[in-house]
Amino acid sequence: QKEVEQNSGPLSVPEGAIASLNCTYSDRGSQSFFWYRQYSGKSPELIMFIYSNGDKEDGRFTAQLNKASQYVSLLIRDSQPSDSATYLCAVPYNNNDMRFGAGTRLTVKP
Amino acid sequence: DTGVSQDPRHKITKRGQNVTFRCDPISEHNRLYWYRQTLGQGPEFLTYFQNEAQLEKSRLLSDRFSAERPKGSFSTLEIQRTEQGDSAMYLCAGLSGTDTQYFGPGTRLTVL
Repeated sequence: QKEVEQNSGPLSVPEGAIASLNCTYSDRGSQSFFWYRQYSGKSPELIMFIYSNGDKEDGRFTAQLNKASQYVSLLIRDSQPSDSATYLCAVPYNNNDMRFGAGTRLTVKP
Repeated sequence: DTGVSQDPRHKITKRGQNVTFRCDPISEHNRLYWYRQTLGQGPEFLTYFQNEAQLEKSRLLSDRFSAERPKGSFSTLEIQRTEQGDSAMYLCAGLSGTDTQYFGPGTRLTVL
């Protein structure tokens, strides 16, 4: 079992819709969870992080964490074509080296 | 802009040659990480430094790879006797305080 798993997609949504990206992790002791966005040919950029169970909102982005289910998700409301990218879920292990999922490729169609 | 810079941005080399990459984090980044990313995969951890000390190395880091951070500021990653399988994006990330890592733009290596 991989430490961090994501649906590779691709996920396609129409402009204005809600995009839902999911991630599961294997280490029950994990305390923090990160979402990065990566445009083709570019490096990952941090979107948001979450530590506590429940929801965390930042603009059009909402991260949801359920530690009991070892599940973290990212919702993008009012999706825009500029949101088209690969979204990486990351979980720190042992002294903070990040373990990344393979990423979910999102396409927002105008 | 995360403040982390990497040089060069692109490197094309022939198999068997040595290459060296450089990463310059911001001064507040007491920890510095190196990752490798291949197409369709997430970044894979290679090694990290706490100031000038290299504290952890992944098993991915074969003996052809070496990394240094001599003064606790910039870091270099050297690959000796490159192989085609080394072709990837090499990413550097800085961390300070919290466990949030900020990535540089990466160095894309192509081994012919």
